Amino acid sequence: ETGVTQSPTHLIKTRGQQVTLRCSSQSGHNTVSWYQQALGQGPQFIFQYYREEENGRGNFPPRFSGLQFPNYSSELNVNALELDDSALYLCASSQGQGPTYNEQFFGPGTRLTVL
Amino acid sequence: QKEVEQDPGPLSVPEGAIVSLNCTYSNSAFQYFMWYRQYSRKGPELLMYTYSSGNKEDGRFTAQVDKSSKYISLFIRDSQPSDSATYLCAIDSGYSTLTFGKGTMLLVSP
Repeated sequence: ETGVTQSPTHLIKTRGQQVTLRCSSQSGHNTVSWYQQALGQGPQFIFQYYREEENGRGNFPPRFSGLQFPNYSSELNVNALELDDSALYLCASSQGQGPTYNEQFFGPGTRLTVL
Repeated sequence: QKEVEQDPGPLSVPEGAIVSLNCTYSNSAFQYFMWYRQYSRKGPELLMYTYSSGNKEDGRFTAQVDKSSKYISLFIRDSQPSDSATYLCAIDSGYSTLTFGKGTMLLVSP
């Protein structure tokens, strides 16, 4: 069973540019969540995709957008990069929806540096 | 007030010590409480989760939830240098949306 994978591992961009980060969910999982983890902070929820639809969003501006594909892999896009966007971006996949507990499995993250 | 508060540490202990890590939270509606371990430059991995109040034990780890005081704890017995990592408490806000604390960095010296 393959775990959650993310690409690229590291990325350096300049302010104002756009970036796309990718995530492959664990086999059998249909839900993908994205988190931003700034240095010395806990992860912060950006948004979640379930069966190709956005299914919840945290306190992030619209320049953070995403997609989920039929195979449940996902992309996170960030436009007009700002210095404060420098962080570790984590993808987590889980199976199912609903108010009961569904364990989320995290990928290793993509470290984005904005200069 | 932040939804989940956690002392960032670092917390330094000698090998074999009992470690106590704690978080407080503000929303009494939360039902699922998790502890994640994160090694440097890695993604978080789930250690334990607890539903509602009570204790849960798994080997050297014990998770405790006190909903009346909105307090969650993780105890590590016989700590090892390999336990050195950042420990994140997290709460499931509903539908697999996690709210994390800042994380506590733990250093276990041989």
